[in-house]
Amino acid sequence: AQSVAQPEDQVNVAEGNPLTVKCTYSVSGNPYLFWYVQYPNRGLQFLLKYITGDNLVKGSYGFEAEFNKSQTSFHLKKPSALVSDSALYFCAVRDEGGADGLTFGKGTHLIIQP
Amino acid sequence: NAGVTQTPKFRVLKTGQSMTLLCAQDMNHEYMYWYRQDPGMGLRLIHYSVGEGTTAKGEVPDGYNVSRLKKQNFLLGLESAAPSQTSVYFCASSSETGTQYFGPGTRLTVL
Repeated sequence: AQSVAQPEDQVNVAEGNPLTVKCTYSVSGNPYLFWYVQYPNRGLQFLLKYITGDNLVKGSYGFEAEFNKSQTSFHLKKPSALVSDSALYFCAVRDEGGADGLTFGKGTHLIIQP
Repeated sequence: NAGVTQTPKFRVLKTGQSMTLLCAQDMNHEYMYWYRQDPGMGLRLIHYSVGEGTTAKGEVPDGYNVSRLKKQNFLLGLESAAPSQTSVYFCASSSETGTQYFGPGTRLTVL
């Protein structure tokens, strides 16, 4: 069975500082990894994904994530946080061969303080 | 393109009532999914479909049924609603590359 852990319920960062939202995963095969963002009372928006290739993946709104196979991690990062980045962030995983949906972490609330 | 749309946006049911949630996508995706989101639990997969006429159970299928009669539509049914089914329901669709695109959600309250 596959699983995702987001160890922090909430991350607080000052505007302009770098941010990191942590994610670790477990799958039986090669992982497909995703980050989504959810603003209040909205659906999930796709940010970025890792399927294969370069371990550093760049996505929307200046976000990037680093795939680390040995640590089974896929942390989301941004060099300089904006107040508008405040939202709920979800990490998700599926096995390379699977079409049976994504397994999501419980989400991390990111709060950017002015 | 509208992407993924869901109908209705909000609904209040009484225990034992039935309803159907409609999901439609205009991206010609083969795969479609229904998730529920509950506070502190992330999203959990209810049912999914890998093509027209096919459906399969996800992590939390009990109390729900689905149908995929047309490629662009995926229906989620509650035959006898229970308070435990109070949740926000999201539909998603994807191609084989795996990126899922989500609808805006349906907020369901069962009294």
